[in-house]
Amino acid sequence: AQSVAQPEDQVNVAEGNPLTVKCTYSVSGNPYLFWYVQYPNRGLQFLLKYITGDNLVKGSYGFEAEFNKSQTSFHLKKPSALVSDSALYFCAVRDGRNAGNMLTFGGGTRLMVKP
Amino acid sequence: EPEVTQTPSHQVTQMGQEVILRCVPISNHLYFYWYRQILGQKVEFLVSFYNNEISEKSEIFDDQFSVERPDGSNFTLKIRSTKLEDSAMYFCASSEAGGTSYNEQFFGPGTRLTVL
Repeated sequence: AQSVAQPEDQVNVAEGNPLTVKCTYSVSGNPYLFWYVQYPNRGLQFLLKYITGDNLVKGSYGFEAEFNKSQTSFHLKKPSALVSDSALYFCAVRDGRNAGNMLTFGGGTRLMVKP
Repeated sequence: EPEVTQTPSHQVTQMGQEVILRCVPISNHLYFYWYRQILGQKVEFLVSFYNNEISEKSEIFDDQFSVERPDGSNFTLKIRSTKLEDSAMYFCASSEAGGTSYNEQFFGPGTRLTVL
């Protein structure tokens, strides 16, 4: 079984400040981890992924995420938030042994960046 | 940039009616998926499809659901007899590869299904 937890329903941050959106996961095999962003009335847009290699992965729009195996976490970060980053963020995990590619999503975290 | 497209954007139907949700995946992708998101809840996996057959399905994907790739471009989700609890946003997704590969899935904008 695989699961994802996003402990914060909402994160508020001032523009220009660093942001962190938290994610923890549980899988039986090797985790493949993803972050997606959803803007109003739009689909899920891929931001970044961790498969193997460096624990810090960089993605679109200046976002990055840090994989921490011991803490089973994959927190999303950005050094300087923009108002346009305000959206709903989803963390997702896939078990690397799973041939069907099923993604399991967290409940989502709403990021609000205030000017 | 290639996108996954879905039609219609909003479908309203009566309970017990059949609905077909349509998707056009990205053209060189080989794996196709349906997910749904009930209002205020998590995005949930329904089914994955490869080489003209289902490769994985969730418990949600019961006998009322079916998928089909009727031609070289479309990928459809059929719900035979809709229930009130089928009301949700349905997302189609596609990826270049799957199995032991790890290509990200690209999602369409969704179809909002409302069952009355």
